[in-house]
Amino acid sequence: GAVVSQHPSRVICKSGTSVKIECRSLDFQATTMFWYRQFPKKSLMLMATSNEGSKATYEQGVEKDKFLINHASLTLSTLTVTSAHPEDSSFYICSARPLDRRHGDTEAFFGQGTRLTVV
Amino acid sequence: QKEVEQDPGPLSVPEGAIVSLNCTYSNSAFQYFMWYRQYSRKGPELLMYTYSSGNKEDGRFTAQVDKSSKYISLFIRDSQPSDSATYLCAMSEGGGNKLTFGTGTQLKVEL
Repeated sequence: GAVVSQHPSRVICKSGTSVKIECRSLDFQATTMFWYRQFPKKSLMLMATSNEGSKATYEQGVEKDKFLINHASLTLSTLTVTSAHPEDSSFYICSARPLDRRHGDTEAFFGQGTRLTVV
Repeated sequence: QKEVEQDPGPLSVPEGAIVSLNCTYSNSAFQYFMWYRQYSRKGPELLMYTYSSGNKEDGRFTAQVDKSSKYISLFIRDSQPSDSATYLCAMSEGGGNKLTFGTGTQLKVEL
């Protein structure tokens, strides 16, 4: 299957600082990437949909000024958590949808996730 | 009521058992149904993908969709300890729409 690389896998930062998470599709191009947040024993909650070359679409309740998304190329999207607070601590996961939709329109491949801890 | 309901478990079975995992949903517009496997502290991995109603088999895994009952299932035959993970169902209305996930069922296959 297609590979999505997410970096870093773990990060600890101080409250008030910003953290950038990268999501790269390694062997395919993706016009659409998704950013999710997952709490322990909870479902994946979609935060935003990132489209290459245009502004991200944020889900209701997600602060776009706090969670900055940039999708500069067909293989890279970044999520920046600005002015992080302890309540932002969570598992963040990206997914990428290939241009080549061999399995249909909704196939998406996930990164390995980033565990963010804000202290 | 959540759009997608999934029993969080944990579900513990002996090695070799047949495992049945299920999700129910309320949105009749869902047409694409997926099962993901997620190991601890890792991203989800796509296991099965089904469009509309019917069955799909891939090795030890069988996915079933019953749209009339708004019920989907994943069966794992001859379960192995390496199958121990959280299994997430996900569904979409299609056409590039977003995925809606269940909470995931934690499965443990014991020796």
